[in-house]
Amino acid sequence: AQSVTQLGSHVSVSEGALVLLRCNYSSSVPPYLFWYVQYPNQGLQLLLKYTSAATLVKGINGFEAEFKKSETSFHLTKPSAHMSDAAEYFCAVSLYNFNKFYFGSGTKLNVKP
Amino acid sequence: EAGVTQFPSHSVIEKGQTVTLRCDPISGHDNLYWYRRVMGKEIKFLLHFVKESKQDESGMPNNRFLAERTGGTYSTLKVQPAELEDSGVYFCASSQDLLDTQYFGPGTRLTVL
Repeated sequence: AQSVTQLGSHVSVSEGALVLLRCNYSSSVPPYLFWYVQYPNQGLQLLLKYTSAATLVKGINGFEAEFKKSETSFHLTKPSAHMSDAAEYFCAVSLYNFNKFYFGSGTKLNVKP
Repeated sequence: EAGVTQFPSHSVIEKGQTVTLRCDPISGHDNLYWYRRVMGKEIKFLLHFVKESKQDESGMPNNRFLAERTGGTYSTLKVQPAELEDSGVYFCASSQDLLDTQYFGPGTRLTVL
């Protein structure tokens, strides 16, 4: 069975500081992994995805994530937080056929001035 | 290009009433998905349409939920009769092909009193 765990429902960082949002997954087969972001009153927007190519994946807005099979992790990072990064972030796993996602419970990122 | 739209954005109904949610996918997208997020928990898959056919409805909670996609364009999700535990945010997503990125709508927030 597939599942996703996001550590920390709320994360607060200062503007300019490193952003690290944690995601661990369990999957019976090699997964495809995704990070989505939801800004207030908007739909989920794809940040980046891992589909078995390079293990370090670069996404939009300066975010990147590294797939670590040995740790079953897919943590999201950004070197320097901006105020505009304040949003809710969701990690998701899908099997090879992409027909459904299994999401984590989300992490709300707060960026302090 | 217009994104995925959902109507209404909010709905407040009493227990026992009927509610119909609508999703308009991106034009040309054959794949349409419904997801639900209950109060701060993970987003859960409900079902997947390919054109007008239900490809996977394994996530539908019970027979009070009925999804349709007549003509393979927009989709409706009807809850009849609504129960308190149906409250949450209902997301719709669409993709052109099965392995393409899923684009999400802003969601419909349903409150059952």
